[in-house]
Amino acid sequence: EVQLVESGGGLVQPGGSLRLSCAASGFTFSSYWMHWVRQAPGKGLVWVSRINSDGSSTSYADSVKGRFTISRDNAKNTLYLQMNSLRAEDTAVYYCARDVRAAAGIRWFDPWGQGTLVTVSS
Amino acid sequence: SYVLTQPPSVSVAPGKTARITCGGNNIGSKSVHWYQQKPGQAPVLVIYYDSDRPSGIPERFSGSNSGNTATLTISRVEAGDEADYYCQVWDSSSDHPVVFGGGTKLTVL
Repeated sequence: EVQLVESGGGLVQPGGSLRLSCAASGFTFSSYWMHWVRQAPGKGLVWVSRINSDGSSTSYADSVKGRFTISRDNAKNTLYLQMNSLRAEDTAVYYCARDVRAAAGIRWFDPWGQGTLVTVSS
Repeated sequence: SYVLTQPPSVSVAPGKTARITCGGNNIGSKSVHWYQQKPGQAPVLVIYYDSDRPSGIPERFSGSNSGNTATLTISRVEAGDEADYYCQVWDSSSDHPVVFGGGTKLTVL
């Protein structure tokens, strides 16, 4: 069974740091791009970051660029999101999701992890 | 950047047909994917490549895409279909190609 399990969320003060992990199983992790998507309480889905299959290429939403770092360890089948200089507006459930590519310019997410809640508050 | 517009809410009686739209400039030239999110749960892919269903998704779920509107259609709606639905495209022309619609809350009356 293809599965993604996030961990590492919690309560952190503004300006603090947190590292999220996403453990993958049931598929060849090293063959897939991976993404982080977040959802603030009561709000919609917002893409945060993505990493290619070997970790050599990354991309970030403008709102987190320079503060967040996505990485992966293909030997451990694990995706990470290092979050620094956290702000109240970063409060959200963070989901990891596997990228599925059908053709150039055609990509979707399946499956998604269960999510981990990050709360930034003093 | 590319924008996807969804109605905030759609209501439908059990057994009827629900249609949830996703508007975008010439969206018919892109491939649209749909996710269902029930309260407290992670999103689940219900339609990909405009109209294909992943295994395990009921045939009641279908999709179409043409012109400036993509549509998710749920036939014979059940109480268990009540959820938020999000459309998504990959905009290759953008530095940030992942685009989600704002989501539509489907209420089963």
